[in-house]
Amino acid sequence: EVQLVETGGGLIQPGGSLRLSCAASGVSVSSDYMSWVRQAPGQGLEWVSVIYTGGAIYYADSVKGRFTISRDNSKNTVYLQMNSLRADDTAVYYCARGSITFEYWGQGALVTVSS
Amino acid sequence: DIQMTQSPSSLSASVGDRVTITCRASQNIDSYLNWYQQRPGKAPKLLIYAASSLQSGVPSRFSGSGSGTDFTLTISSLQPEDFATYYCQQSYITPPYTFGQGTKLEIK
Repeated sequence: EVQLVETGGGLIQPGGSLRLSCAASGVSVSSDYMSWVRQAPGQGLEWVSVIYTGGAIYYADSVKGRFTISRDNSKNTVYLQMNSLRADDTAVYYCARGSITFEYWGQGALVTVSS
Repeated sequence: DIQMTQSPSSLSASVGDRVTITCRASQNIDSYLNWYQQRPGKAPKLLIYAASSLQSGVPSRFSGSGSGTDFTLTISSLQPEDFATYYCQQSYITPPYTFGQGTKLEIK
């Protein structure tokens, strides 16, 4: 059974940093494409980032230069380092397995950027 | 970036109704189109991939069609558990793999 568990969300002031973790079981982050998708309160889904098995990485324009996706194969965990956070980054952040099709999703981690 | 536009944005229907949701891409995306269902407070669930392939475990009352720029999701006979928000997502060539704005399906 595939499980993705996001942690690290919380309340952070504008300009601050936060790192989300996505601990995976039933799937290997080293051999699967892993993505982050977010959803602002009451809004739709927004694709954020993907890390491919070969190491290629892509970001949405809205987070490029501020967010960094990475993985630790030994911990079977994917990370999203978020810097220079803004109010419009407030959202539930989902970790998902896949790149072009998101078959498995975590339960989400809420990030609130507010002073 | 490829823009995805869904219609309608919201829809009221009754149990047993046949419902169709449309999704239009701003450019040709072949069949690189997926559909997701999201219930309140839950993560999205993959329903249809590659425009018309039913994800394992998804009831057969769900179907998808289309290619190029125009796509549809059809629910043949609405069940109470189908009242949710539906999103299309394109996955053509390289990221960003954009989503439509969503269609909220409500009980009439």
